[in-house]
Amino acid sequence: EDKVVQSPLSLVVHEGDTVTLNCSYEVTNFRSLLWYKQEKKAPTFLFMLTSSGIEKKSGRLSSILDKKELSSILNITATQTGDSAIYLCAVPTQGAQKLVFGQGTRLTINP
Amino acid sequence: NAGVTQTPKFQVLKTGQSMTLQCAQDMNHEYMSWYRQDPGMGLRLIHYSVGAGITDQGEVPNGYNVSRSTTEDFPLRLLSAAPSQTSVYFCASSLTGAPWTEAFFGQGTRLTVV
Repeated sequence: EDKVVQSPLSLVVHEGDTVTLNCSYEVTNFRSLLWYKQEKKAPTFLFMLTSSGIEKKSGRLSSILDKKELSSILNITATQTGDSAIYLCAVPTQGAQKLVFGQGTRLTINP
Repeated sequence: NAGVTQTPKFQVLKTGQSMTLQCAQDMNHEYMSWYRQDPGMGLRLIHYSVGAGITDQGEVPNGYNVSRSTTEDFPLRLLSAAPSQTSVYFCASSLTGAPWTEAFFGQGTRLTVV
């Protein structure tokens, strides 16, 4: 059964700290891994990582795919209160027809 | 550009009632899907569609029905609501046969079944 597992499930840090969120996956025919940020409502797309694009960066956020370890990390440096959200990792399965999500990591940044 | 529009935003149902959650997108995306989100469980796929006239089941399809008569619309029907269906529901769309590209989500419907 295809599976995506995120850790930690919850994380509370102070503004300015650096955080690392983890995502591990077990899927057949891996194609890509996606990261989303969910604040109060709909998830919004952050990054897509593939075999040909294993590292992505946007401002203070960066993500790396480790195909050997079947995992990915999402790093956020110099965190701000606006980074507080649920971060979701997802992997397409079954011929890319289904998107399997992890449980999400709830990140809280305290001022 | 409206993107993905879900209605209603909130709904309270009594056990046994039926209702339809509406989802419409204006991006000409072939692929559409419905998820439910429960605390600590991420998003779980209910049903999906790869184009008009084609639907298939996801992880948790029981108690839900879908149809896709047009590219734009993908309604989700609850046949006989149960308290276990209390959840937040999200509709999403993406390009043809490629949910591995970014999926666009609606704003969600918070459903409570009492």
